[in-house]
Amino acid sequence: EVQLQQSGAELVKPGASVKLSCKTSGYTFSNYYMSWLKQMPGQNIEWIGNIYGGNGGTGYNQKFKGKATLTVDKSSSTAYMDLSSLTSEDSAVYFCARSTRGRGWFAYWGQGTLVTVSS
Amino acid sequence: VQMTQSPSYLAASPGESVSISCKASKSISNNLAWYQEKPGKANKLLIHSGSTLQSGTPSRFSGSGSGTDFTLTIRSLESEDFAVYYCQQYNEYPPTFGAGTKLELK
Repeated sequence: EVQLQQSGAELVKPGASVKLSCKTSGYTFSNYYMSWLKQMPGQNIEWIGNIYGGNGGTGYNQKFKGKATLTVDKSSSTAYMDLSSLTSEDSAVYFCARSTRGRGWFAYWGQGTLVTVSS
Repeated sequence: VQMTQSPSYLAASPGESVSISCKASKSISNNLAWYQEKPGKANKLLIHSGSTLQSGTPSRFSGSGSGTDFTLTIRSLESEDFAVYYCQQYNEYPPTFGAGTKLELK
């Protein structure tokens, strides 16, 4: 069974950084892409970027370049997203989601991680 | 590519059929997926390629359309179908989503 288990909720101060994780199981990590997505309350889901599990190659939404950095640890089949210089606009639920192709649908999703930026 | 979903809210009763519309701001061929969101659960892929049911999706769900206009239809609603539904285009980067349709129990 494919599973994407995301790390727990985070409360972070403005200006700080946070690293979210998405631990996977049930499939060959290297053969798929992992995307990260953002959903603010009442807003559309936004695609942040993706990373290929095989070689760590990345692609980013221009809007999130400089804000998000995607990495993987193949040894633990885990994907990570670093968010830097956090502001209130970064308060949202963040999802990881797996796709077969770099540009495709998302067959499996994590449960989401709530990030709250507040002093 | 902007995705416009309608309606935003839809109230229906079990056994009824409903349709949700998704319009793209430019042609996306059939590169469209539909998802279901329920509280406390991971988002579920229902349909991809406009009309292809993902494995495990009940046959009462169907998708249609190509180009700019797409429809998700749910026949004979069951209690488990009351949820939020999203469309997503993957024809161009970045992938973009509709704002969602909340299907509520009448």
